[in-house]
Amino acid sequence: AQSVAQPEDQVNVAEGNPLTVKCTYSVSGNPYLFWYVQYPNRGLQFLLKYITGDNLVKGSYGFEAEFNKSQTSFHLKKPSALVSDSALYFCAVRDPLTGGGNKLTFGTGTHLQVEL
Amino acid sequence: DVKVTQSSRYLVKRTGEKVFLECVQDMDHENMFWYRQDPGLGLRLIYFSYDVKMKEKGDIPEGYSVSREKKERFSLILESASTNQTSMYLCASSRAGTGGFFNSPLHFGNGTRLTVT
Repeated sequence: AQSVAQPEDQVNVAEGNPLTVKCTYSVSGNPYLFWYVQYPNRGLQFLLKYITGDNLVKGSYGFEAEFNKSQTSFHLKKPSALVSDSALYFCAVRDPLTGGGNKLTFGTGTHLQVEL
Repeated sequence: DVKVTQSSRYLVKRTGEKVFLECVQDMDHENMFWYRQDPGLGLRLIYFSYDVKMKEKGDIPEGYSVSREKKERFSLILESASTNQTSMYLCASSRAGTGGFFNSPLHFGNGTRLTVT
C-alpha cells in the first residue's frame, strides 16, 4: 500500500528566511510525487511533481522539492519565504506498481505561516 | 487556464435528504475526481471517472454514488445524507496523461462545504 506522511501540522517561518515543509512516503516501487497548495477558501493548486529524472524539481512561485530515494522523502523548499506563501500544503504520492489502483494518496497537510 | 466549477459554495441539508453536488470542467479532461477534505485527514478519494459513463470507487465510496453522462460534468450524489457526511467536497479533473492517470496534475474546484443537520 502507498502512504505519505507530513510530520508537521504547522510550520512557522519569518519572511525572508528559507522554508522547508517535510514529506515522507512509502510505496512498493518508484513513486510519483506531487505538492499542492491550498489558499483559504480555495481548492488545491498544483505546485510541482517528480516522476523521474533530476532529483531537484522546480515548480511554481519559486518553490522546489528534492526527491531523496534513500530517505524516502520529498521535502518542499523555498529559499526566501513570503507572507503570501502562508497556506496549507499537501504532499501526494502514487505508486505506479499498484496496477489498477490508480490512487493518488494525499498527506494530512501542513499549515505554513510566514510572519513579518 | 483550466476552470473547474462546483455549483455550490455552501450547502445545508437535512439528514435523509438526497443531495447532488455538481462539477463542470472546461478543458476537455478525460479524468474527473471527487474528494472530501476533513481536518487532520487530508483529502480522501470518493470516486473517480476516466471516461463518460465510467466510474471507479475510491477509498471511501460508501454512502455516495456518481454520475458522468457528459465528459465535462461529474456529479456526486449522497443518496441519504447523514451528519457524518458533513465535510468539504472537492472536485478535480486532469488529462489522461501518459503512463497512467496520475502523471498529469489535478485541477481543483473551489470546493463545496456541505453541512448535514
